[in-house]
Amino acid sequence: LAKTTQPISMDSYEGQEVNITCSHNNIATNDYITWYQQFPSQGPRFIIQGYKTKVTNEVASLFIPADRKSSTLSLPRVSLSDTAVYYCLVGDGGSARQLTFGSGTQLTVLP
Amino acid sequence: NAGVMQNPRHLVRRRGQEARLRCSPMKGHSHVYWYRQLPEEGLKFMVYLQKENIIDESGMPKERFSAEFPKEGPSILRIQQVVRGDSAAYFCASSPPGTSNNIQYFGAGTRLSVL
Repeated sequence: LAKTTQPISMDSYEGQEVNITCSHNNIATNDYITWYQQFPSQGPRFIIQGYKTKVTNEVASLFIPADRKSSTLSLPRVSLSDTAVYYCLVGDGGSARQLTFGSGTQLTVLP
Repeated sequence: NAGVMQNPRHLVRRRGQEARLRCSPMKGHSHVYWYRQLPEEGLKFMVYLQKENIIDESGMPKERFSAEFPKEGPSILRIQQVVRGDSAAYFCASSPPGTSNNIQYFGAGTRLSVL
């Protein structure tokens, strides 16, 4: 399983775009990049997943450069309710199905 | 479609008692996972089960902890003779048959407090 590195915390203001970058230098050919969001006292929630280039859904965008050694989760126009811990995970989801969560990034959105 | 259901949400036990945590996966999901989250830490994988089978228990403590996912009924995580260090949030997740590609659906968790 590839190790990931993310900032421990980030602050932002309502209405701003937030970009959280994750480093995964040892990513393998078959690995996907997956992001989860966790609110206090709740379980993680799947946000977005990608393999290369750019993926966008109704919640976020995920940018992955050609070498795939990093990825950036982009949250457009954040609100107070986006305050949460964001986890970047890397793995192939094959027979070894365990998810490996690091410490994540605590995003705090300020009014 | 109901999500992953865990109960109880909160469980208080005294040292030496047993704790039973239940998890009902999403409808149609045959894979269940248990994770533990200690205060101020990330989630740690414990065990992966399919119906009537333990597939991967590499994250389970060697003693006092066991898990099952019977043919009928919810998955159960059982902790015998609890100690204060077992106090944590325990999360269950599920995924449908086939390749998961690292997408799992989590319940709200059971918060175990050992007095």
